[in-house]
Amino acid sequence: EAQVTQNPRYLITVTGKKLTVTCSQNMNHEYMSWYRQDPGLGLRQIYYSMNVEVTDKGDVPEGYKVSRKEKRNFPLILESPSPNQTSLYFCASSDRGLDGYTFGSGTRLTVV
Amino acid sequence: AQSVTQPDIHITVSEGASLELRCNYSYGATPYLFWYVQSPGQGLQLLLKYFSGDTLVQGIKGFEAEFKRSQSSFNLRKPSVHWSDAAEYFCAVKGTNAGKSTFGDGTTLTVKP
Repeated sequence: EAQVTQNPRYLITVTGKKLTVTCSQNMNHEYMSWYRQDPGLGLRQIYYSMNVEVTDKGDVPEGYKVSRKEKRNFPLILESPSPNQTSLYFCASSDRGLDGYTFGSGTRLTVV
Repeated sequence: AQSVTQPDIHITVSEGASLELRCNYSYGATPYLFWYVQSPGQGLQLLLKYFSGDTLVQGIKGFEAEFKRSQSSFNLRKPSVHWSDAAEYFCAVKGTNAGKSTFGDGTTLTVKP
């Protein structure tokens, strides 16, 4: 089944403790992206990648890092999480840049 | 810079009634436009997309959308709403930077029996 898989689905962590949210797609898509969703703010793009080793900032990149060492994986790294990064995070991929996205099921992160 | 506005935060319709969700975009050239649906506790699913050509596009689940360049709009429609359509709907735009996609704040649809 074609899908984008995120792990974990739920995560509670403490301020300053580094964490990684994994994202993997099995569709050989070139484009991958991370979004955060907050009530009343819609989805805001954190980072995106157009291919292996090619990444760029979205609208809200502060406090986040990404890497794209393999085509299928696009992990999101929070090196020193803070409570304002408590959010619902989505990973998405698309075959060509102008195709629509396939989204993962989301990761609900709470930073206390 | 590209942007999307969904003027209606919340819409309630009766089951069987028609539906129109509004989307206005801002982009300097011809945009690439999308509608997504998010059911409670789920990720987003692509309903339909517009790139060029026919301004009326058909999507999944009986939805359609019309691109109107003169109004900078891409409104989503459905002739007869089902209770299972209750969800949050997002409009999105991409420009020539294909990696950058901007979403609206979403419209929550409630369906009355």
